[in-house]
Amino acid sequence: GEDVEQSLFLSVREGDSSVINCTYTDSSSTYLYWYKQEPGAGLQLLTYIFSNMDMKQDQRLTVLLNKKDKHLSLRIADTQTGDSAIYFCAENPRDSSYKLIFGSGTRLLVRP
Amino acid sequence: GAVVSQHPSRVICKSGTSVKIECRSLDFQATTMFWYRQFPKQSLMLMATSNEGSKATYEQGVEKDKFLINHASLTLSTLTVTSAHPEDSSFYICSARDRGLEAFFGQGTRLTVV
Repeated sequence: GEDVEQSLFLSVREGDSSVINCTYTDSSSTYLYWYKQEPGAGLQLLTYIFSNMDMKQDQRLTVLLNKKDKHLSLRIADTQTGDSAIYFCAENPRDSSYKLIFGSGTRLLVRP
Repeated sequence: GAVVSQHPSRVICKSGTSVKIECRSLDFQATTMFWYRQFPKQSLMLMATSNEGSKATYEQGVEKDKFLINHASLTLSTLTVTSAHPEDSSFYICSARDRGLEAFFGQGTRLTVV
């Protein structure tokens, strides 16, 4: 089946690292994505990882993928107040005509 | 990255009327476009997938006669909410995909039916 789960809320202090977790159930997914949504806006792609990789780093962002446990995480180093937003992970099941299945979203609040 | 423009960003309409939302890919050809609906503090729910020149594929539970999707060209898809009711009030987001891996999202349309 297709189901993506995330914790709903995370609060961190400015300068600390944030780790947002996601679990998915469809092992056929070839790509997994992280999107950021600011209030009243569309989604911005942050990064994505291919299923045969276990880590990808892009500046302050690090994505870890544990395919055995179907667990994906996004680490934001040196979190800033501008990082406050909702973060969605999404999977792209192989036989789904490229549609994305989104998690419930994690609201990240960065405290000064 | 590529730009997807969604219009209007906000619309208020009377119950029983129809509303059209446009989604344009500005600098690439979108072979596939997706329409999502997002309720407050919830995730995006895929409504339908449209491929240029063919009928849209609707997700289970989405009324195709109520949510009309037209993808007449490689740069434009429209979603028409027909005979809108207050329960149709929501945030509608489109995304467009070329032949690559990334789906680009529009800014979203806040629909309020009064």
